[in-house]
Amino acid sequence: AQRVTQPEKLLSVFKGAPVELKCNYSYSGSPELFWYVQYSRQRLQLLLRHISRESIKGFTADLNKGETSFHLKKPFAQEEDSAMYYCALRGSGNTPLVFGKGTRLSVIA
Amino acid sequence: KAGVTQTPRYLIKTRGQQVTLSCSPISGHRSVSWYQQTPGQGLQFLFEYFSETQRNKGNFPGRFSGRQFSNSRSEMNVSTLELGDSALYLCASSPTGTQVYEQYFGPGTRLTVT
Repeated sequence: AQRVTQPEKLLSVFKGAPVELKCNYSYSGSPELFWYVQYSRQRLQLLLRHISRESIKGFTADLNKGETSFHLKKPFAQEEDSAMYYCALRGSGNTPLVFGKGTRLSVIA
Repeated sequence: KAGVTQTPRYLIKTRGQQVTLSCSPISGHRSVSWYQQTPGQGLQFLFEYFSETQRNKGNFPGRFSGRQFSNSRSEMNVSTLELGDSALYLCASSPTGTQVYEQYFGPGTRLTVT
């Protein structure tokens, strides 16, 4: 079974501090992993995906197959990063996305 | 390109009634997925349609159903509404023919059951 766990419901950090949003997954094969973000009053949107190995808005995420994790990191948090962040997994084949329950990031000025 | 649109945006229904929600995907997208979003459970997958066929189904009772039309527009129906069906219902569409899988979400329909 596919499962995504985001252990923190809420994460508060000060502006300029490093951020790490945790995501652990359970899947026996090779998954595709994503981070989605939902800013206040905006629709859910893709932030980044592991296969692209890109940095978006200063965020990066590395897939660690040994620890089955895909943590989202940013070295210096900004107030505009405050949002709801969802980690999602897609297994092989035409399987649907499975989302974690989300972590609300609050960046304090 | 216009984004994913959902109608109506807000809906208030009474327990026992039925409701139909509509989703228009991004032009050219043939896959449409539906999710239920609640504060307690987060995003839960309902079903996915591709080329008018249901390709995947989540763990929801049979009161939840959907369909997709030849123009890729999709509807979902919930019959015999219960208070617990109050949620934000999100629709997402995906392009096809690409190696990278990405879903584009609509603004959602907020359903309140009283």
